[in-house]
Amino acid sequence: DAGVIQSPRHEVTEMGQEVTLRCKPISGHNSLFWYRQTMMRGLELLIYFNNNVPIDDSGMPEDRFSAKMPNASFSTLKIQPSEPRDSAVYFCASSPKWGRGNSPLHFGNGTRLTVT
Amino acid sequence: KNEVEQSPQNLTAQEGEFITINCSYSVGISALHWLQQHPGGGIVSLFMLSSGKKKHGRLIATINIQEKHSSLHITASHPRDSAVYICAVTANFGNEKLTFGTGTRLTIIP
Repeated sequence: DAGVIQSPRHEVTEMGQEVTLRCKPISGHNSLFWYRQTMMRGLELLIYFNNNVPIDDSGMPEDRFSAKMPNASFSTLKIQPSEPRDSAVYFCASSPKWGRGNSPLHFGNGTRLTVT
Repeated sequence: KNEVEQSPQNLTAQEGEFITINCSYSVGISALHWLQQHPGGGIVSLFMLSSGKKKHGRLIATINIQEKHSSLHITASHPRDSAVYICAVTANFGNEKLTFGTGTRLTIIP
């Protein structure tokens, strides 16, 4: 089991550029989460999917952010256009079953995004 | 007031000491998670519990649903336990959304 795989590990880009973060969940897991971590706000849920369907995107900060899950093994988080305040570590996590939060989470190693 | 509060924010202890980190929450929950984040940044799920107590090696997690309180204990602490420990809860209205505490930074001195 390779765990949750995120790419890239680090991304440095200029303001205004499009950024795409990628995530491959653990095979067989049917819930996928995108989190953002900053010094000021800690960890925040951006969006989560169950069986590839977005369930709660209330944490997506604004229309510049979008997320897709075209199939069970891949998800993307896109920021267009990027801004310096988007600089953060973005984590993807998956869990094995849909439920009332009673599933353990498996985190990827995160993507550290720096927007200059 | 945050829905999930942790204490202390920072904790420094000598190797071998018994460690306690506390988490209080203000909402009804279906589960509480303890996470560990090492200096390298990776996050590991330590425990998920909705009642009672769980133990894994030197780590013990307890929860009191009536008091809306959980504790994470580390026995015989070791420098490799140095990390940020994060409490998170899933509210009991039927979805997977986690609300996080701000974390406790633990440093164990050899």
